[in-house]
Amino acid sequence: GAGVSQSPSNKVTEKGKDVELRCDPISGHTALYWYRQSLGQGLEFLIYFQGNSAPDKSGLPSDRFSAERTGGSVSTLTIQRTQQEDSAVYLCASSWGTGNSYEQYFGPGTRLTVT
Amino acid sequence: DAKTTQPNSMESNEEEPVHLPCNHSTISGTDYIHWYRQLPSQGPEYVIHGLTSNVNNRMASLAIAEDRKSSTLILHRATLRDAAVYYCILRDDKIIFGKGTRLHILP
Repeated sequence: GAGVSQSPSNKVTEKGKDVELRCDPISGHTALYWYRQSLGQGLEFLIYFQGNSAPDKSGLPSDRFSAERTGGSVSTLTIQRTQQEDSAVYLCASSWGTGNSYEQYFGPGTRLTVT
Repeated sequence: DAKTTQPNSMESNEEEPVHLPCNHSTISGTDYIHWYRQLPSQGPEYVIHGLTSNVNNRMASLAIAEDRKSSTLILHRATLRDAAVYYCILRDDKIIFGKGTRLHILP
């Protein structure tokens, strides 16, 4: 079946502009996660959703970052007034639930470059 | 902060078994041990997970210590395609990834 998809695959934007990144999880997966990975670094957790609710937003780097999920499916990560340090690969993952036994399935990521 | 400790890097010869260690001394009774790997320029890929008993699947085996404070991911016969960063994590709501082990496979 279809895996997690993300769009766009690449995004180049000018400093100060807003960007929206999209994630389509695997159908039926109730949990959705956002991470980012800077060049040569590990994965940094940003936020997760159980259904449409985000119980913990503490991983978002600043108030310029926001995320929403509608209909228990698609999620968008919005970065306002982008800065150069926002350049990274943004990864989305989904799983059947947030329970400890559920594995996550990752999308291919969106590479964001802020010039 | 990551709750697991892994070596930064390891090397193995092609077609030989690889044992990737992970320490998780602060593991709680309900934490599952998950392993993911990330091939170059790709998103992470699920490998295997377990709670107490050893686990096998088509990709690998997971050996969990009796006290659950450590585990070992076993690749039975490494190929060049197994060169990746391997992450050992304790599954929680957030899933905190550490720096993982970069596995190099020598032809």
